[in-house]
Amino acid sequence: GQQVMQIPQYQHVQEGEDFTTYCNSSTTLSNIQWYKQRPGGHPVFLIQLVKSGEVKKQKRLTFQFGEAKKNSSLHITATQTTDVGTYFCAGSGNTPLVFGKGTRLSVIA
Amino acid sequence: EAQVTQNPRYLITVTGKKLTVTCSQNMNHEYMSWYRQDPGLGLRQIYYSMNVEVTDKGDVPEGYKVSRKEKRNFPLILESPSPNQTSLYFCASKLSGSGNTIYFGEGSWLTVV
Repeated sequence: GQQVMQIPQYQHVQEGEDFTTYCNSSTTLSNIQWYKQRPGGHPVFLIQLVKSGEVKKQKRLTFQFGEAKKNSSLHITATQTTDVGTYFCAGSGNTPLVFGKGTRLSVIA
Repeated sequence: EAQVTQNPRYLITVTGKKLTVTCSQNMNHEYMSWYRQDPGLGLRQIYYSMNVEVTDKGDVPEGYKVSRKEKRNFPLILESPSPNQTSLYFCASKLSGSGNTIYFGEGSWLTVV
């Protein structure tokens, strides 16, 4: 079945450093979504990408969808302590939404 | 306010004692789903439902049952809980169709001793 791999599993950064998490699908996706889960909280929708090569920005967050629609990335510029949490990608293709295992981001002040 | 509500939020129970975790959404969503979250394993889907009276197994359905008699409710049933079902459980819902946002409940911490 469809698999979505996400790396790295953990990332520790100094406040102010950049951070990137990557998502790769075994099959072509119709769209990809990104979610953020704060410690002790539940996943919350961040954004959805649909078009091949699409790039979207939300303040310091940049989301990309690959040309082949099989990979995606989330880049955070100049991390802040409020960015702490686990970031999940979720891909939708021929099957219901499949989540990556997430990247847990720690930010050291 | 649009929300997905799960109960109980926290539960400690004993092996073999049947329990039900309720889930209700007020957004008239067709699709509902249950996930469990374990360290290092991310979110794994247990069961999902595309609409009333339609349910399907996810990736880890063993030891769980669900029902979808009404559109707004999607209870998760553990007939005979075991310690390996100790986990954080999330209920979620969305409109049917690809690309719609999933809304998660706040989670239910379940410990089976």
